[in-house]
Amino acid sequence: EAQVTQNPRYLITVTGKKLTVTCSQNMNHEYMSWYRQDPGLGLRQIYYSMNVEVTDKGDVPEGYKVSRKEKRNFPLILESPSPNQTSLYFCASSLLGGRGQETQYFGPGTRLLVL
Amino acid sequence: GENVEQHPSTLSVQEGDSAVIKCTYSDSASNYFPWYKQELGKRPQLIIDIRSNVGEKKDQRIAVTLNKTAKHFSLHITETQPEDSAVYFCAATPYSGGGADGLTFGKGTHLIIQP
Repeated sequence: EAQVTQNPRYLITVTGKKLTVTCSQNMNHEYMSWYRQDPGLGLRQIYYSMNVEVTDKGDVPEGYKVSRKEKRNFPLILESPSPNQTSLYFCASSLLGGRGQETQYFGPGTRLLVL
Repeated sequence: GENVEQHPSTLSVQEGDSAVIKCTYSDSASNYFPWYKQELGKRPQLIIDIRSNVGEKKDQRIAVTLNKTAKHFSLHITETQPEDSAVYFCAATPYSGGGADGLTFGKGTHLIIQP
């Protein structure tokens, strides 16, 4: 089944404790992206990747890191989480590299609480 | 960068009536405008999209119109049904001649279908 998976789905952590949210897609998509969703603010892009070893900042990259060592995986890293990073995070992928113009398929979301 | 405004933030309509959600964008170079539907507790899913060379697109009860001159686009849902209740997001992305540009989303419209 074609899908985007994220792990963990729920995470409670404390300020400053490094964490990684994994994202994987099995559709051979070139383009992958991370968004955060906050009430009243919609979906805001954190980072995106056109292909392996190619990543770029979105609208709200501060406090986050990403890597794209393999085509299927695009982990989101929070080196030193802070309470303002409490949010619902979505990973998404699309077939074509560049511009995000094709249909984006979203993962199930990861709900993060930073205490 | 691109800025997308979406209105209204909440829309309540009687079942069977029509619903219209409007978005405006700032970057005249934007050329792809998707709409995503997010049901409660679920991931966003694409329901319809339109490209800048088309003025209108229809898929059963859903239609999208685009006015490039005024830089606005709208989602129209006719004969609304209870399953249409959800949050709807519009988005836009500009063409940059080769670079990757992510989607900029509006803040969302919570559509409530009253029985």
